[in-house]
Amino acid sequence: EVQLLESGGGLAQPGGSLRLSCAASGFTFSSFAMTWIRQAPGKGLEWVSAISGGGGSTYYADSVKGRFTISRDNSNNTLYLQLNSLRAEDTALYYCAKDGSVVGATLYWGQGTLVTVSS
Amino acid sequence: DIQMTQSPSSLSASVGDRVTITCRASQTINIHLNWYQQKPGKAPKLLIYVASSLQGGVPPRFSGSGSGTDFTLTISSLQPEDFATYYCQQSYTTPYTFGQGTMLEIK
Repeated sequence: EVQLLESGGGLAQPGGSLRLSCAASGFTFSSFAMTWIRQAPGKGLEWVSAISGGGGSTYYADSVKGRFTISRDNSNNTLYLQLNSLRAEDTALYYCAKDGSVVGATLYWGQGTLVTVSS
Repeated sequence: DIQMTQSPSSLSASVGDRVTITCRASQTINIHLNWYQQKPGKAPKLLIYVASSLQGGVPPRFSGSGSGTDFTLTISSLQPEDFATYYCQQSYTTPYTFGQGTMLEIK
């Protein structure tokens, strides 16, 4: 059974940093691309970033490019998202996610970790 | 980036109704279109992928169609558990953008 468990959320000040983690289990982690998707309170879904199975290719939404960095540790089955230069508009529930059988169709979701950016 | 526009933004319907939600892409995405259902406090659930393929375990009252830029999600006979928010998402090119959502409410 695929399990994704996020951690690392919390309160950060504008301009501050946080690192989110996602512990994955139930599949061969290094064989699959992974994704972060966020949802601001009461708002819709926003695709944030993705990384290939080997970690060599990364992709970002324009809204986070240059501020967020996605990475992975395949030896520990863990996905990361480094959030720098945080803004109030980054306040959201951040989901770690994995595709199903088709690339881009997100089948597996974690429970999310909440990031709040406020002074 | 590809913009995804859903309509309507909200919809009131009754149990047993047939409901259609539309999604339009700002450029062609072939059939790289997914539909999700989200209930309050829960992670989204994948319903349909590549425009018309039903995800395993999803009831057959859900169906998807379309290609190019115009897509639809149809629920043939609404059930009480279907009242939720629905999102389309293109997976043609990154960033894999979502529509703004359609909130389906009980009339």
